[in-house]
Amino acid sequence: DAGVIQSPRHEVTEMGQEVTLRCKPISGHDYLFWYRQTMMRGLELLIYFNNNVPIDDSGMPEDRFSAKMPNASFSTLKIQPSEPRDSAVYFCASSLSFQRYRANYGYTFGSGTRLTVV
Amino acid sequence: GQQLNQSPQSMFIQEGEDVSMNCTSSSIFNTWLWYKQEPGEGPVLLIALYKAGELTSNGRLTAQFGITRKDSFLNISASIPSDVGIYFCAGQLGGGSQGNLIFGKGTKLSVKP
Repeated sequence: DAGVIQSPRHEVTEMGQEVTLRCKPISGHDYLFWYRQTMMRGLELLIYFNNNVPIDDSGMPEDRFSAKMPNASFSTLKIQPSEPRDSAVYFCASSLSFQRYRANYGYTFGSGTRLTVV
Repeated sequence: GQQLNQSPQSMFIQEGEDVSMNCTSSSIFNTWLWYKQEPGEGPVLLIALYKAGELTSNGRLTAQFGITRKDSFLNISASIPSDVGIYFCAGQLGGGSQGNLIFGKGTKLSVKP
C-alpha cells in the first residue's frame, strides 16, 4: 500500500492566486480529513468526509477555502484567492470506520503540502 | 471547543534516558492515540488505546489510557537519537460516532548522543 498520497509536496504562490492541493486516500478507507499545521495553532481540522460526503466543515477558515471529494480515491482542497496567512503545511489523512475496524483504528497521514504564499 | 493540554512542550535529554509526556483534558475521551512526526513528514501512529486503564507497549514505548478517561501518558525508555521528533496525543470523544480526533500541541523531543 502506497499510503496517503498528497501533491504537490511544496507550493509557492503569489497572494491572490488560486491554489489546489490534492490527496489520494488509502484504498478502502471510509473517511478523509484535511488538516492544517502551523507553529502557532498546531494541527487544525479543516473538513472531513465520510464516503465522499462532507460531514463537518466548521474548521474551514472562510469562504476562500473549499474542498471536494468527487470519488473515493481523490480529494482536493482549494484556496481562492490565497493570502500570506494561509502559509502552512496542509495534511490529508484517511481512516477506516471506527465502529467497523476498531482494532485497526487510527488516521494515516500523508506527507503534507507545504504552502507558502508571498 | 474541546482542548487537549499536552506537556511538556519540549524536552532535551541525553541518549539512554527515559522520557515521559502526558495529555490531559476536561472532556472524557473514547480513544487515545499517540503519534510521532518527523521533519518534513506527516504524523505516524505509534500506539492506540481504547479502554480506561489500558496499558499498551510498542517496543520501547508504553502508553496508558487514564482511569478517568481524561488523560493519557506516553513513556519512552532508553531513548536513542532516532526518537527525535514531535509527539502528539490525540483523543476521540465518546458517543459512538466517528467524530474527529482532537490533537494536542505536541511535545518536541531532542536527544543528545
